[in-house]
Amino acid sequence: GAVVSQHPSWVICKSGTSVKIECRSLDFQATTMFWYRQFPKQSLMLMATSNEGSKATYEQGVEKDKFLINHASLTLSTLTVTSAHPEDSSFYICSARTATYEQYFGPGTRLTVT
Amino acid sequence: AQKVTQAQTEISVVEKEDVTLDCVYETRDTTYYLFWYKQPPSGELVFLIRRNSFDEQNEISGRYSWNFQKSTSSFNFTITASQVVDSAVYFCALSEAGDMRFGAGTRLTVKP
Repeated sequence: GAVVSQHPSWVICKSGTSVKIECRSLDFQATTMFWYRQFPKQSLMLMATSNEGSKATYEQGVEKDKFLINHASLTLSTLTVTSAHPEDSSFYICSARTATYEQYFGPGTRLTVT
Repeated sequence: AQKVTQAQTEISVVEKEDVTLDCVYETRDTTYYLFWYKQPPSGELVFLIRRNSFDEQNEISGRYSWNFQKSTSSFNFTITASQVVDSAVYFCALSEAGDMRFGAGTRLTVKP
């Protein structure tokens, strides 16, 4: 199956700083990528849908100014958590969708804000 | 709006028992996809199956089987002769040719 990578796999940052997470589709082009957030012992919650070359569509309740998403190419989407706070600590998972609507998930990035 | 319900929060079985994980979904679309994923402690999602709304045939893959019933909007997952390595959180998900939405997940613990 197709491979999606995320970098970094884990990150610890101080409160008030910004963190960028990369999501790459390694062997296919993805016009659409998705970002999910998962708190401990909870389900994956869709944060936003990212389309290459256009602005991301955010789910209700997700602050677009706080979670900046850039989908600059068909193989790369980035999520930047700006002015991170401890409550932003979570597991962030991206997924990429192929032209035939198959969706592949990255391994996730564990963010800890101290 | 689409919705996925996994009513079983946690299930605990003893090795070699069969276990069924329930999934009920809601959608207004006639075209949609259903999925099951396994999430071990590492966190990485493991794809198990994708089923489109036009294919109600049940599927078996080794010890895993899936029962898709549109009449009851259910897509249940059965593990036969469970093993300790099956311990994980299992998610059912629904996609209407757009984004994918997940159920709350069922934490399965298989004890030796």
